[in-house]
Amino acid sequence: DGGITQSPKYLFRKEGQNVTLSCEQNLNHDAMYWYRQDPGQGLRLIYYSQIVNDFQKGDIAEGYSVSREKKESFPLTVTSAQKNPTAFYLCASSPNRGQGNQPQHFGDGTRLSIL
Amino acid sequence: DQQVKQNSPSLSVQEGRISILNCDYTNSMFDYFLWYKKYPAEGPTFLISISSIKDKNEDGRFTVFLNKSAKHLSLHIVPSQPGDSAVYFCAAPRESNYQLIWGAGTKLIIKP
Repeated sequence: DGGITQSPKYLFRKEGQNVTLSCEQNLNHDAMYWYRQDPGQGLRLIYYSQIVNDFQKGDIAEGYSVSREKKESFPLTVTSAQKNPTAFYLCASSPNRGQGNQPQHFGDGTRLSIL
Repeated sequence: DQQVKQNSPSLSVQEGRISILNCDYTNSMFDYFLWYKKYPAEGPTFLISISSIKDKNEDGRFTVFLNKSAKHLSLHIVPSQPGDSAVYFCAAPRESNYQLIWGAGTKLIIKP
């Protein structure tokens, strides 16, 4: 049963701490994405990767970092430089290196809160 | 720079009636539009899409209409069912890198 798994579902971060959100997919998709959703707003793109060992900044990359060492995995690190990290984080994937007309498949998200 | 706009934060519709969700865009270069549905604490799921060469696309109870001259699209759900209660997002791929630009979403509430 293919899909995208995000973990943990809930995460708490202390001030000045880096945290890493996991995203794994077994859909054999080339492209993967990280989005942030804030209340009353649409999804905003943080980073995306169209192929292994390559990734590009999205609209709000500051304070975040990613890696794409394996096709199945695209972890997101929220660094201490991200001053307002409290949000719902969504990971997605799509086939064919992220062509715009390919629907993206989403995980169930990670809610990050600051202690 | 909000290129995809959903101006209604919420919409309440009686079960069995038609739900109409609206989306406006500013970039005439968009050539494809997608609608996603999202339940609380879950990721969005793809619902239906439309290419700019068409003005209508239908899939069961869901129909999307595109009016290019008005830069407006709408999603019609008929008949509306309780399971349709969710947040609906419209999105369009950016021409420069194909990454999606998302509207803010409309929360649809189906009343019994």
